[in-house]
Amino acid sequence: SQKIEQNSEALNIQEGKTATLTCNYTNYSPAYLQWYRQDPGRGPVFLLLIRENEKEKRKERLKVTFDTTLKQSLFHITASQPADSATYLCALGILLGSSNTGKLIFGQGTTLQVKP
Amino acid sequence: DSGVTQTPKHLITATGQRVTLRCSPRSGDLSVYWYQQSLDQGLQFLIQYYNGEERAKGNILERFSAQQFPDLHSELNLSSLELGDSALYFCASSLVAGVYNEQFFGPGTRLTVL
Repeated sequence: SQKIEQNSEALNIQEGKTATLTCNYTNYSPAYLQWYRQDPGRGPVFLLLIRENEKEKRKERLKVTFDTTLKQSLFHITASQPADSATYLCALGILLGSSNTGKLIFGQGTTLQVKP
Repeated sequence: DSGVTQTPKHLITATGQRVTLRCSPRSGDLSVYWYQQSLDQGLQFLIQYYNGEERAKGNILERFSAQQFPDLHSELNLSSLELGDSALYFCASSLVAGVYNEQFFGPGTRLTVL
């Protein structure tokens, strides 16, 4: 069956450390992958997009890797801050048919808590 | 603030009823997406519209329907409501219809079915 898995347990880290979140998937062939941040009671906010032919993408303190052989993406936040505390959602971008159309399949998310 | 607006913020109704959720995309965005988020299912894609036309379909029930109007706002209609339809419903928008686009999510409508 098709699955997308993120750590269901909360990740607790100390301020200043690097947070690493994982996203594993089975029986999907995503053309791209996106990461979103979601705060309680609010809509997700886009962070990064990485395509299947890209190994790594960076944006400020954020870094995403995408390994289509391992079927895994890693999301890193360096020099983490208490303001980074939120739920982070991984989303697989699946192409539909031959037209330039796709849909996002979201994981359940991992909650990150950064302690001062 | 993403620039996407959704109304109402909260909706409480009874089983068997019908409700309409409304979404206005960011200025200039032509594509609108609808998602359902519940505790057990997570964030699920329902349907996408682009410039008034249905573009992609996800796990949308037959009791649910949507449309996008000429002014680009969109409505999601939920009918014959069941307890299990209680969830947060998000609308998102993007500039164009194609893939590889970031989506801007609205604040959501919380639907409670009693």
